[in-house]
Amino acid sequence: GDSVTQMEGPVTLSEEAFLTINCTYTATGYPSLFWYVQYPGEGLQLLLKATKADDKGSNKGFEATYRKETTSFHLEKGSVQVSDSAVYFCALSMFSGGYNKLIFGAGTRLAVHP
Amino acid sequence: GAGVSQSPRYKVAKRGQDVALRCDPISGHVSLFWYQQALGQGPEFLTYFQNEAQLDKSGLPSDRFFAERPEGSVSTLKIQRTQQEDSAVYLCASKNTQGASTDTQYFGPGTRLTVL
Repeated sequence: GDSVTQMEGPVTLSEEAFLTINCTYTATGYPSLFWYVQYPGEGLQLLLKATKADDKGSNKGFEATYRKETTSFHLEKGSVQVSDSAVYFCALSMFSGGYNKLIFGAGTRLAVHP
Repeated sequence: GAGVSQSPRYKVAKRGQDVALRCDPISGHVSLFWYQQALGQGPEFLTYFQNEAQLDKSGLPSDRFFAERPEGSVSTLKIQRTQQEDSAVYLCASKNTQGASTDTQYFGPGTRLTVL
């Protein structure tokens, strides 16, 4: 079945360091891809998305490119801040039967220190 | 409303008790989803409603789990005879339209259920 695999955490970085969180997927068709973020004590928030191959999603300095050839959607940020500390979830959705449901990876915890 | 709301935010139940978790989606949103998030894991799909119709309940883990959305807005997830393995965060999400896989699902803050 469809699935998402993302790198295990925690990822610990110093402020202003470069961030990469790897995400790969398995899907029978052409999914849409998402990154969601969960800040401490808060609900899941959509960070960015891409709907077709070679699309780049970006938001708040984060970006990810939909790579069909490597079935990947790695999250990157050039300079992280302490406020980026959160759990990041990669997800895919397939439109089937008139609706879509999200399939999530296990999440990667990011801790950024001053 | 401003966003998806869920109540209660925290629920502690003794094993064997029944619980009911409520979700208020964004006003006018046709689609409503329930997910279960175990500790340290990503959310997993439980069930989907399009208006009042429950179109997919393939993710419900057992017949102790039941969901309804009788008027096409508020939804309730009910768990009967709770077990310790039911301990998780239950997330509700709503979406504006019934189609279009690119539409964003908006999540509520979740209900953390602890079964003792």
